[in-house]
Amino acid sequence: QQQVKQSPQSLIVQKGGISIINCAYENTAFDYFPWYQQFPGKGPALLIAIRPDVSEKKEGRFTISFNKSAKQFSLHIMDSQPGDSATYFCAARGGRETSGSRLTFGEGTQLTVNP
Amino acid sequence: KAGVTQTPRYLIKTRGQQVTLSCSPISGHRSVSWYQQTPGQGLQFLFEYFSETQRNKGNFPGRFSGRQFSNSRSEMNVSTLELGDSALYLCASSLHRGIETQYFGPGTRLLVL
Repeated sequence: QQQVKQSPQSLIVQKGGISIINCAYENTAFDYFPWYQQFPGKGPALLIAIRPDVSEKKEGRFTISFNKSAKQFSLHIMDSQPGDSATYFCAARGGRETSGSRLTFGEGTQLTVNP
Repeated sequence: KAGVTQTPRYLIKTRGQQVTLSCSPISGHRSVSWYQQTPGQGLQFLFEYFSETQRNKGNFPGRFSGRQFSNSRSEMNVSTLELGDSALYLCASSLHRGIETQYFGPGTRLLVL
């Protein structure tokens, strides 16, 4: 049962542009929403994360926007660079007590930043 | 600190065989989770271990099992391999159960022929 839906599946952006990836969830018990970046041949690496009591979090060029009422969250990559070309996954955790470290992942977005 | 290490990195098996994959978490990390990554199903949670006990299990058949040792190293085993078990198996560690920041290893690429 897919509980986190991610779009688009692929995204092509010009260098310097803004990349936007969206995720939606159904389970209101989710309490932690990370984004992971994965390069070919590597494991996913934590990029940035947010809790549902915050509407926005920014770290460098990466920003998460969170809309609790709409059950949606998105990743914005400002001034996108060719080195940002990777697969991005959103994820959600269903509460520390019940889910521990278990994450439910979105389907992934293949981002290509053209020079 | 060394990152999460997984061995072997690549593995080729035939249907019906069994396989054991190993994961060494970051030093001091006590929680280990396993995920299966495939092009069709994406990243799916297999199980989580903490203090040598399985704390959480994903929706996988009983052919998939795991364990954790007293030094927090973990192994997962897949018995009676099927073609559909071909995947990248990822291990992630965190300092403690429920601590959000998880660090993933590079994975073990399993090919079942």
